Amino acid sequence: QVQLVESGGGVVQSGRSLRLSCAASGFTFSGYGMHWVRQAPGKGLEWVAVISNDGSSKNYVDAVKGRFTISRDISKTTLYLQMNSLRAEDTAVYYCTRTFTDWYFDLWGRGTLVTVSS
Amino acid sequence: EIVLTQSPATLSLSPGERATLSCRASQSIINYLAWYQQKPGQAPRLLIYDASNRATGIPARFIGSGSGTDFTLTISSLEAEDFAVYYCQQRSNWPLTFGGGTKVEIK
Repeated sequence: QVQLVESGGGVVQSGRSLRLSCAASGFTFSGYGMHWVRQAPGKGLEWVAVISNDGSSKNYVDAVKGRFTISRDISKTTLYLQMNSLRAEDTAVYYCTRTFTDWYFDLWGRGTLVTVSS
Repeated sequence: EIVLTQSPATLSLSPGERATLSCRASQSIINYLAWYQQKPGQAPRLLIYDASNRATGIPARFIGSGSGTDFTLTISSLEAEDFAVYYCQQRSNWPLTFGGGTKVEIK
């Protein structure tokens, strides 16, 4: 079954760190670039970060540059998002997504909620 | 950063009616635009890519058109399952950006 399953969300204090994971299955993980997209409560979608299929190339939205790091473990077919120095404005559901035709998103996980409390 | 402006914010229609959703880009994005549907509590679903190509399994009533800065998603005859929020997204420039969404609600 082709799917993405996120985990690692929760409530964290402002300034602390959290690592999200996304387990991929049912497709050749090493063949796809992967992204994180987030959605603040009641708001729209915001692209956060991308990593190339082999992990050699990464890009981030300015709002998280220097604080978030995207990575992947191909042997574990898992995508990660290390989030440091968290802020209240990082509160959102974080979705793991798969690249389709550079650079749309054709497969989404169910999301994991990150709540940053002050 | 390319800004995508969607209009209207809310569209109130009845089943069987035609829905016309607009997405305008702050600069030309050629045809590098996708449309997504999101229902409450669910992840978005890719409907249309490169302005006019339907994704796998998407019904023919979803029609994408446009180029340059102006794009349209038309739902030719609304069915009960089509009431949702729709987002456009561009892949022309980094960062990838989304529009603010159009909610299609039952009148």
